[in-house]
Amino acid sequence: AQSVAQPEDQVNVAEGNPLTVKCTYSVSGNPYLFWYVQYPNRGLQFLLKYITGDNLVKGSYGFEAEFNKSQTSFHLKKPSALVSDSALYFCAVRDRFSGNTPLVFGKGTRLSVIA
Amino acid sequence: DTGVSQDPRHKITKRGQNVTFRCDPISEHNRLYWYRQTLGQGPEFLTYFQNEAQLEKSRLLSDRFSAERPKGSFSTLEIQRTEQGDSAMYLCASSILTGMNTEAFFGQGTRLTVV
Repeated sequence: AQSVAQPEDQVNVAEGNPLTVKCTYSVSGNPYLFWYVQYPNRGLQFLLKYITGDNLVKGSYGFEAEFNKSQTSFHLKKPSALVSDSALYFCAVRDRFSGNTPLVFGKGTRLSVIA
Repeated sequence: DTGVSQDPRHKITKRGQNVTFRCDPISEHNRLYWYRQTLGQGPEFLTYFQNEAQLEKSRLLSDRFSAERPKGSFSTLEIQRTEQGDSAMYLCASSILTGMNTEAFFGQGTRLTVV
């Protein structure tokens, strides 16, 4: 079974500081990993994904994430946070070889960037 | 707008009534997913279609829930005899079947309130 853990319900960071939102996953095989962002009363917007290759992937709005197979992690990062980054962030996983499975999401982490 | 469209955006219904939600996926996306999201939780997978075929429906929450995609384009999700516990955001997403790694694009959701 696939699962995702986002250990922090809330992350607070000052504007201009680097931010990290943590994600660990569990799959039986190799993972496809995704980050989505959700603004109030909106659907989820795709940020970035890891499929294969370079462990550091870059996505929208200056976000990046690093895949670490040994730690089964896929933490979301940004070098300099903006107030407009404040939102709910979801990590998701799919097992590469498990057939027609949908994305499995974590519970989400609320990011608050303080001016 | 060529994104995923959901209708209605909000629905308030009395307990025991039936409700139906519609989702129009991105044109030519052959996969369509339904998720449910409750407060403080990540999206929970319900069911999905590949073209008009419903490939997974065991995750539908009860036999009161059903979904269709009759012509492989738009989809409907119906909840019969609604209960207060059905109050949630219902999200639709679509993707193209080109392998296991494609991200899903989400609509803005339908917020259901059962009173």
